[in-house]
Amino acid sequence: DIQMTQSPSSLSASVGDRVTITCQASQDISNHLIWYQQKPGKAPKVLIYGASNLKTGVPSRFSGSGSGTDFTVTITSLQPEDIATYYCQQYDNLPLTFGGGTKVEIK
Amino acid sequence: EVQLLESGGGLVQPGGSLRLSCAASGFTFSSHAMSWVRQAPGKGLEWVSSISGRNSDKYFADSVKGRFTISRDNSKNTLYLQLNSLRADDTAVYYCAKSVAVPGTWGYYFDLWGQGTLVTVSS
Repeated sequence: DIQMTQSPSSLSASVGDRVTITCQASQDISNHLIWYQQKPGKAPKVLIYGASNLKTGVPSRFSGSGSGTDFTVTITSLQPEDIATYYCQQYDNLPLTFGGGTKVEIK
Repeated sequence: EVQLLESGGGLVQPGGSLRLSCAASGFTFSSHAMSWVRQAPGKGLEWVSSISGRNSDKYFADSVKGRFTISRDNSKNTLYLQLNSLRADDTAVYYCAKSVAVPGTWGYYFDLWGQGTLVTVSS
């Protein structure tokens, strides 16, 4: 199975800060990675697919990068509505696996 | 409106069974793979099972293999998950998700999620 390791597990930042979350795969998954945002009590939503493709309608302050085993999602200027838990997921192979999540809070 | 609506969750005793349903609307259901993903209280996301659009291919996480069955009725635009031999660690919100198969991969990602249905396994 492909293990997905996310870091940090939580972070606290101020409005306007640049925030970066990382996700590491236990083996090469090319760009077969997606990022989800999950707000409290809600279902996850797609932010970025194919490691770096922003889903239509997602604010441009979100960006993704990486290939192979190391991936990042960056929020260039954190907004109050970005408070959520962020998950990566690999779809290179079964079983499909998620990172453990990163909870983003406002300082 | 494109949406997924799960139902069928509830409280069940260990060893019991439950059937979850997911009603789809707003898209051509039969053309898309579908999946179930669960989330234990306060925990992360865990893929459970997927089924191809034409019902021929089914995949399961090891944690549920042999206990859960996935099926779909394309005439009713409905996805099902039959949960048998339930255990306490099956307690979770179960999400139905429209799934995208990416060429060159063996997996799926999930571009539309339902609101989830809570399954609680407890005596």
